[in-house]
Amino acid sequence: GAVVSQHPSRVICKSGTSVKIECRSLDFQATTMFWYRQFPKQSLMLMATSNEGSKATYEQGVEKDKFLINHASLTLSTLTVTSAHPEDSSFYICSANSGTGAVGAFFGQGTRLTVV
Amino acid sequence: QKEVEQDPGPLSVPEGAIVSLNCTYSNSAFQYFMWYRQYSRKGPELLMYTYSSGNKEDGRFTAQVDKSSKYISLFIRDSQPSDSATYLCATSYNNNDMRFGAGTRLTVKP
Repeated sequence: GAVVSQHPSRVICKSGTSVKIECRSLDFQATTMFWYRQFPKQSLMLMATSNEGSKATYEQGVEKDKFLINHASLTLSTLTVTSAHPEDSSFYICSANSGTGAVGAFFGQGTRLTVV
Repeated sequence: QKEVEQDPGPLSVPEGAIVSLNCTYSNSAFQYFMWYRQYSRKGPELLMYTYSSGNKEDGRFTAQVDKSSKYISLFIRDSQPSDSATYLCATSYNNNDMRFGAGTRLTVKP
């Protein structure tokens, strides 16, 4: 099946710094990727839809300037958490559809961000 | 009202039991219905999906959709400790914009 690779799997950063998370589709091209945030014991919350070559579409309540998304190629989308604060600590997951018509999304392994 | 409602559990069963996981959804326009399995600190993986109504069986797993009652079910027969995970249901209009349930945490005890 399609593979989505997310890196890093875990990161600890100091408050006020920025962190970049990468999401790659390894064996297919993804014109659209999705970024989610997941709190403990809660569901996936869609943050934004990343479109190759254009601006991301953010869900209501998600700060565009805080969570910068870049989808510069058909196999790579990045999420940058700028000026991170402890409340940004969470599990971030990306996903992509295979584009072949297969149902469902393929998820990355997730990134656990801890801001200290 | 959330678009997809799912009891978060936790649910604990003995090995070999039949597990029933359920979700309800609010929008009758949803056409795709999926179940994902998520192990701790990992991304979800697609387990099964159905399109529109009906049943689908894959080994020990059966997915059911009843569009008249907007009810989605996943049954696991002969449950194993390795089935212990969080199971998330998801729906979509177009196989793109997915809405997830909260996830049910399942523990199968040996």
